Amino acid sequence: EDKVVQSPLSLVVHEGDTVTLNCSYEVTNFRSLLWYKQEKKAPTFLFMLTSSGIEKKSGRLSSILDKKELSSILNITATQTGDSAIYLCAAVSQGGSEKLVFGKGTKLTVNP
Amino acid sequence: DAGVIQSPRHEVTEMGQEVTLRCKPISGHNSLFWYRQTMMRGLELLIYFNNNVPIDDSGMPEDRFSAKMPNASFSTLKIQPSEPRDSAVYFCASRFAGQGSAFFGQGTRLTVV
Repeated sequence: EDKVVQSPLSLVVHEGDTVTLNCSYEVTNFRSLLWYKQEKKAPTFLFMLTSSGIEKKSGRLSSILDKKELSSILNITATQTGDSAIYLCAAVSQGGSEKLVFGKGTKLTVNP
Repeated sequence: DAGVIQSPRHEVTEMGQEVTLRCKPISGHNSLFWYRQTMMRGLELLIYFNNNVPIDDSGMPEDRFSAKMPNASFSTLKIQPSEPRDSAVYFCASRFAGQGSAFFGQGTRLTVV
């Protein structure tokens, strides 16, 4: 059974801290990994990772995939209260009919 | 494009009633996913379609749940009869298979009393 596990499940930090969120996956015919941010409504897309070792970066957020370890990390530097959200990762299986399996998410709270 | 459109946004119904959730995917997307989100279980994949054909419905909790996609621009998720434990936020998402990320609708918050 395809599975995605995220850790920690929740995290509380102070503004300015750097955080690292983890995602590990076991998926048949892995194709790519997606990161999303969910505030009060729908998840919004952050990154798609396909190749191992290549960092994707957007402002203070960055992410990298390790296919050997079947894992990915999402880093947020100089956190702000607006970064408070649930961060979800999803593994995409390869093939004509691709399936997206999500982890349970990491709830990040950034306190002022 | 307006994005993935779900309706209704909120639904409150009594136990035993039939509930129908609706989704219009982004035009041109050929994969559609139905998810259910709760605090306990997170985001669970219920069923997904590729080119309007159901591919994997192993996540559908029981026979009370059914989903259809009669054409490329419309899908429904039906619960009959509904139970209080079905209370959750139901998301629909679409993507173009083989390319990019999935885009989510705003969700339907279902409360069964």
